[in-house]
Amino acid sequence: NAGVMQNPRHLVRRRGQEARLRCSPMKGHSHVYWYRQLPEEGLKFMVYLQKENIIDESGMPKERFSAEFPKEGPSILRIQQVVRGDSAAYFCASSPGRPSIIAFFGQGTRLTVV
Amino acid sequence: TQLLEQSPQFLSIQEGENLTVYCNSSSVFSSLQWYRQEPGEGPVLLVTVVTGGEVKKLKRLTFQFGDARKDSSLHITAAQPGDTGLYLCAGDNTDKLIFGTGTRLQVFP
Repeated sequence: NAGVMQNPRHLVRRRGQEARLRCSPMKGHSHVYWYRQLPEEGLKFMVYLQKENIIDESGMPKERFSAEFPKEGPSILRIQQVVRGDSAAYFCASSPGRPSIIAFFGQGTRLTVV
Repeated sequence: TQLLEQSPQFLSIQEGENLTVYCNSSSVFSSLQWYRQEPGEGPVLLVTVVTGGEVKKLKRLTFQFGDARKDSSLHITAAQPGDTGLYLCAGDNTDKLIFGTGTRLQVFP
């Protein structure tokens, strides 16, 4: 049973380019969460999605960041016009849903903006 | 904004020592989870505690959820170098997990 798959593992983008991060949840999981982690820090919540719906995007920056989880295919975190401050590790987690959140994480995508 | 404060932030100990990591909040959580993260990897779930006062053991690791479900502790007995890593607590906040500030543990042989 495959775990949460994220790709790419490493992504280098120049300032102003777009970054697309992909996350395939575990089989049977319909809830996806995205987190950002800066070096030596904990994980900061960004967005929570279910299939075709954004449930909570309270942690997403207002501009340049967007996320989707289509009916078919992986969840995508999209960062437009990247800046150096976007450099971080981005983690995706999936969960089968309530009654409690049991979240399984992918290995992350390390984004470096040069 | 809900905050989960972990202490200590850093911990360096010798193999065989015992240690306790604390996770505190002013908020009540319906459940709390502990994760361990190694460099370059994603967090790996260790345990979930749900009931106030609950104690769970995982080999040399003992997890406790506070009676009021606002705090938790992780106790490691006879630490080993393989326990080295970043330990994160995370509280279940209605629709998402809120992560603690993390405790970085290093166990020297």
